[in-house]
Amino acid sequence: AQRVTQPEKLLSVFKGAPVELKCNYSYSGSPELFWYVQYSRQRLQLLLRHISRESIKGFTADLNKGETSFHLKKPFAQEEDSAMYYCALNGYTGNQFYFGTGTSLTVIP
Amino acid sequence: DTGVSQDPRHKITKRGQNVTFRCDPISEHNRLYWYRQTLGQGPEFLTYFQNEAQLEKSRLLSDRFSAERPKGSFSTLEIQRTEQGDSAMYLCASSFGGRYGYTFGSGTRLTVV
Repeated sequence: AQRVTQPEKLLSVFKGAPVELKCNYSYSGSPELFWYVQYSRQRLQLLLRHISRESIKGFTADLNKGETSFHLKKPFAQEEDSAMYYCALNGYTGNQFYFGTGTSLTVIP
Repeated sequence: DTGVSQDPRHKITKRGQNVTFRCDPISEHNRLYWYRQTLGQGPEFLTYFQNEAQLEKSRLLSDRFSAERPKGSFSTLEIQRTEQGDSAMYLCASSFGGRYGYTFGSGTRLTVV
């Protein structure tokens, strides 16, 4: 089965604190994983993709095949990071993404 | 090109009516996708086009739903005989290839009363 699980619906951290948004997946083979972000009243935006091994806005995510996880991390949260975050998995056909239910991150000033 | 455009932004319709949504993808993108998102859920795949060919459809896409992408440019999603359960945000996205992620539009919010 192809599935993405984001166990936390809500997450609050203080400004300057580290933040980790959890994502677990179910997939046979080598997954292609993504993080999307949706700021208030804005469209879904691609934040990062694991194949690019990039760091965007200070966020990183490492694929852990042993734990089937792709957690999103940032060492020092900023108020502008408050948003809805979705983890997504590219399915076997390569033609559809499976999204998690999202985590709403609030950074407290 | 300012990204993926969707029209209308909001649609309120009575149960049983037909509705049609339009999506204009980024012009260089050959792939176009429709997703549906309900409250508290992530986007769920509905259908995928490569150029003008509809290559994949979800089981979520009942017979009341039909999508087209004539000439491989804009796409329309039509829902016939709308039901209250169709109330959702309908998202369009486009990409050039699938491995590098999509660009989403702002969505059309459908409310069926």
